[in-house]
Amino acid sequence: DQQVKQNSPSLSVQEGRISILNCDYTNSMFDYFLWYKKYPAEGPTFLISISSIKDKNEDGRFTVFLNKSAKHLSLHIVPSQPGDSAVYFCAASGGTQGGSEKLVFGKGTKLTVNP
Amino acid sequence: NAGVTQTPKFRILKIGQSMTLQCTQDMNHNYMYWYRQDPGMGLKLIYYSVGAGITDKGEVPNGYNVSRSTTEDFPLRLELAAPSQTSVYFCATTGNTEAFFGQGTRLTVV
Repeated sequence: DQQVKQNSPSLSVQEGRISILNCDYTNSMFDYFLWYKKYPAEGPTFLISISSIKDKNEDGRFTVFLNKSAKHLSLHIVPSQPGDSAVYFCAASGGTQGGSEKLVFGKGTKLTVNP
Repeated sequence: NAGVTQTPKFRILKIGQSMTLQCTQDMNHNYMYWYRQDPGMGLKLIYYSVGAGITDKGEVPNGYNVSRSTTEDFPLRLELAAPSQTSVYFCATTGNTEAFFGQGTRLTVV
């Protein structure tokens, strides 16, 4: 039973355009959500997070939106750059801010940004 | 600070062999985790630890063992390697916010 779902295994966008990566979750106890970026042969690195008390969090070109009623979150990257090409994992936790609870990961979406 | 260090980076094992994947963190975090990532799949939690001397099973613990004798080290032990354990293994640690991952160990069991 997949609690965190990333239904698009891959996404391809043109440089300068917006990339939108989607994530759905089923567990209503999740209250903290994170996005990780992973390059080949490297470990995942933290990108951005959002608490369930918010519906939007922005950090430079990256914005995460949370729709709790739909149990859906999305990551927007604008403008997209070729260096953003990576696998993006959505993760969720039910507890304090994702630090002391187990993270549940989606399967990932491979983003390719074409020059 | 090195963050989270995993060794080895690559390993090929024969069926039935044993090995220990090492993980060390210098961030003084209490929480440490072992994940595996299979091709096309997300990260699945094998074991985790909330502090020295305390470990607990994750989603896929069968075939693995862990120990946590110090805050810094969280080794993962495979006693009888099986082809199903071919995967990339990631160790992670968390403070108050996000998790920090090591670079991974790519294990192939043949």
